[in-house]
Amino acid sequence: GQQLNQSPQSMFIQEGEDVSMNCTSSSIFNTWLWYKQDPGEGPVLLIALYKAGELTSNGRLTAQFGITRKDSFLNISASIPSDVGIYFCAGQLAGSARQLTFGSGTQLTVLP
Amino acid sequence: GAVVSQHPSRVICKSGTSVKIECRSLDFQATTMFWYRQFPKQSLMLMATSNEGSKATYEQGVEKDKFLINHASLTLSTLTVTSAHPEDSSFYICSARESLNTEAFFGQGTRLTVV
Repeated sequence: GQQLNQSPQSMFIQEGEDVSMNCTSSSIFNTWLWYKQDPGEGPVLLIALYKAGELTSNGRLTAQFGITRKDSFLNISASIPSDVGIYFCAGQLAGSARQLTFGSGTQLTVLP
Repeated sequence: GAVVSQHPSRVICKSGTSVKIECRSLDFQATTMFWYRQFPKQSLMLMATSNEGSKATYEQGVEKDKFLINHASLTLSTLTVTSAHPEDSSFYICSARESLNTEAFFGQGTRLTVV
C-alpha cells in the first residue's frame, strides 16, 4: 500500500524555537492533513490542505501542500510547552473510500 | 470541529472473552466510519472502513471474524474484538465523517488490555 515517510522521528527543542517536520511519498495525494496526538487521546486535526502549492496557517502553525502533490511540511513557530506531542501527517487519495494513510509520526519535546 | 465519542476509554478483559467498543458521532450523521489500531510509539493502522447499512471493508491482514464491525445507524458504529488474546492489546481509535467531501474526526481512543 501507499507509504508516507515522515521526518524527523523525534525532536527536542527549546521553548521559543521554531520547528519543522515533513512528509514525503511516492504516491500523489489529493489532500494532506496534519494531526496532533496527545498521550492516550485520538488525533486532533490541525491543518487541512487541498490544493498543490497551498500554504495554510493556523495560529503558530503553517503547512504547505507540495507542488508535486507528493510531499507536505508543517512548521511550528515560537514553540511552547503545550506543543509537546506526536504530530502525524496523513494523505488522502482520490476514490470512493478516500481513506487516510498516516505517516509514522514526529515526537516533539519542548524543553523549558 | 465535530464531536466523535468513543466508549469505553479503557477496558481490561480476560483472555478468551469478547469486548465491544462504541463510536458515536454526536453532532452529525456519519455515513462512513473508520477503525484504526495503534501500537505504542507507532502510527495509526487502518483496520476497516464501514458505511452505514452495509458490510465493513477490511484491510488486508485484518480478520473480519475476529474484529466484528457493525454500523447500524448514522451515528453509531461498534467494533467487537471476539475471543480476545493478549496480542490484541492495543489502542483502538475510530473516526467518522459526514460525507466524502468532509473531514473525518477522531474519537478519544480505547485502550484495550487483555490479561
